Order: sequence, then C-alpha cells, then structure tokens
Amino acid sequence: ETGVTQSPTHLIKTRGQQVTLRCSSQSGHNTVSWYQQALGQGPQFIFQYYREEENGRGNFPPRFSGLQFPNYSSELNVNALELDDSALYLCASSSQKRGSSGNTIYFGEGSWLTVV
Amino acid sequence: AQSVTQPDIHITVSEGASLELRCNYSYGATPYLFWYVQSPGQGLQLLLKYFSGDTLVQGIKGFEAEFKRSQSSFNLRKPSVHWSDAAEYFCAVGPNFGNEKLTFGTGTRLTIIP
Repeated sequence: ETGVTQSPTHLIKTRGQQVTLRCSSQSGHNTVSWYQQALGQGPQFIFQYYREEENGRGNFPPRFSGLQFPNYSSELNVNALELDDSALYLCASSSQKRGSSGNTIYFGEGSWLTVV
Repeated sequence: AQSVTQPDIHITVSEGASLELRCNYSYGATPYLFWYVQSPGQGLQLLLKYFSGDTLVQGIKGFEAEFKRSQSSFNLRKPSVHWSDAAEYFCAVGPNFGNEKLTFGTGTRLTIIP
C-alpha cells in the first residue's frame, strides 16, 4: 500500500477526444510526477509538479498538461487523443525537502487508457 | 543524457534457483538507482534503492543489488527465487537530489518454472 491512488483504473476513449486522469497522493507529499508506460515498455517521464508548479517536463507535446492542487491531488490532461496515447499512466509522489535527497518515491497502480 | 539498459528482455529460472538481473546505466553525475517490480496489470513496487554509502543494498522480498561505479552497473540478485517472484523488473536512474524524474529501462520479464 503506497498511499497513492489513481482514477479511473480503466477507460476507453475515441481518437480526438480529451481525457483527465486523477491522482491522490499521501498527505504531505509536495511533489508529483506522471509517467506513461506503453505496452512492453518501461515508464516514460511526462512531467513533474512541485508545490503546484511544473518542475520539469519530458519529451511529450503540449497537449499533455497537468495540475497539482493544495490537497495533494493532481490531474493529467491529454487533449486530441491519438491511438499511440494508449498506455498505462502512472502517478508518483514524494515529499521533497530543500537540501535533502534520497526521498522515497511512491507509485500508484495506474490508469489504463485505451484510445480507439 | 541519462539512460538505462536492461540487456535481458526475458529470463526463465527454476524455483529455488539463484537470480541475477542486469542493469547498466549512463549518467553524468552520481546516480540515484532503483529497482522496481511490476506484477501484471499493477503499478510499480520499490524493491530497493541506492543513493550513497554501502554499494551492496538490501531490499524487500530477499532481493539485493550491488552498485559498481567502474562498470556502471546495478545488478539485482536473489539467492533463491519463489514462484511469486514472477513479474516484470525495472531498473531506473535519477538525479541524486531525490526527485521523481526517473529514467527507466525497458524491463526484464521473469518467468519461474516449477
């Protein structure tokens, strides 16, 4: 049990639609990252939020966007869905402290998105 | 740019046999290294991590890993596998400041035969 919950667990969308995936972190976790894991691949870093501001982005287009809220929840939004967006989307959170390192990172169980 | 290579896509071992999963990384500074396990349809569970100090790291479920800077490797080992160890294993590297911008390998699928 990591204390990181994601919803929905599975969903199917049509190409061109928009989707919002949600993540609820442990209390006190000020950092959240989102990863995309295509079938048979390792997770790929999408972006990270620290204290509600974007703090780094991977090689994903702007139609992938996110939000982090004061209540330790976050969202991943994907616009204009493409077939290749079909994947498991993972949320990861931790409590980063200035000047510290080695923080434990907790992953949720993911949201399976199928685009048809 | 950081990268992780897991050379073995699929490994099959007998229950009770020893296991070693290979991981090689490329990183410009002192790395922060992880091994995660993923059961089918599940998220990622942390087995162990290396940040600094002793290069032999003990993790959960009887796993250990050894950091070898000279070989840029962080191989995962277990002396005796159990059927429940069948899963996908991912090695990851990140900045040593402990944030989640991790780079993962493509994974090694472990099959256990009776």
